[in-house]
Amino acid sequence: SQTIHQWPATLVQPVGSPLSLECTVEGTSNPNLYWYRQAAGRGLQLLFYSVGIGQISSEVPQNLSASRPQDRQFILSSKKLLLSDSGFYLCAWEKLLGAFFGQGTRLTVV
Amino acid sequence: AQSVTQPDIHITVSEGASLELRCNYSYGATPYLFWYVQSPGQGLQLLLKYFSGDTLVQGIKGFEAEFKRSQSSFNLRKPSVHWSDAAEYFCAVGARSSASKIIFGSGTRLSIRP
Repeated sequence: SQTIHQWPATLVQPVGSPLSLECTVEGTSNPNLYWYRQAAGRGLQLLFYSVGIGQISSEVPQNLSASRPQDRQFILSSKKLLLSDSGFYLCAWEKLLGAFFGQGTRLTVV
Repeated sequence: AQSVTQPDIHITVSEGASLELRCNYSYGATPYLFWYVQSPGQGLQLLLKYFSGDTLVQGIKGFEAEFKRSQSSFNLRKPSVHWSDAAEYFCAVGARSSASKIIFGSGTRLSIRP
């Protein structure tokens, strides 16, 4: 069966520090991968979308970047965090069956 | 443009009452449709999905949804809600293509009145 791992679960980082959130999927190949952000009390904002290794679509201009170095690995990064980067970050995989989500990372930038 | 609209930001219903959460979509082709539920601080869990066939689909936790092509709607229903159903609910739409992304609505927060 397919599983998705996302870590860390919580993270507190100072403004200006770098960020790396990792997401890996098991049990499937060539999935579509997503990074979403959910601000407090808000819906899901699609940040990045990938249909294959090295193929990244950015949905909104921002301080973040994403990479897909391997088929089942999706990384969300920032060189310098801003206060506005705080939020709940969700990774998901999808392959015509619906999207399946990780448990999320609560990022607080202080 | 593809979009999903959940017109109700927040709904409160009494425990034991029936529930209907609205979802309307705009999509160029026949879509795949989904409902997800998110408990506080958690990821999203798939409740049910519609691909083709019977337009009334059954999901987990006693939920069902009906696809109405003429109304471009995919409303979620439950005959009798439980306090544990309090959560955020998201409608989503996708295309029948591996290269297309799933689009989510803005969510409806459901509160249950004791």
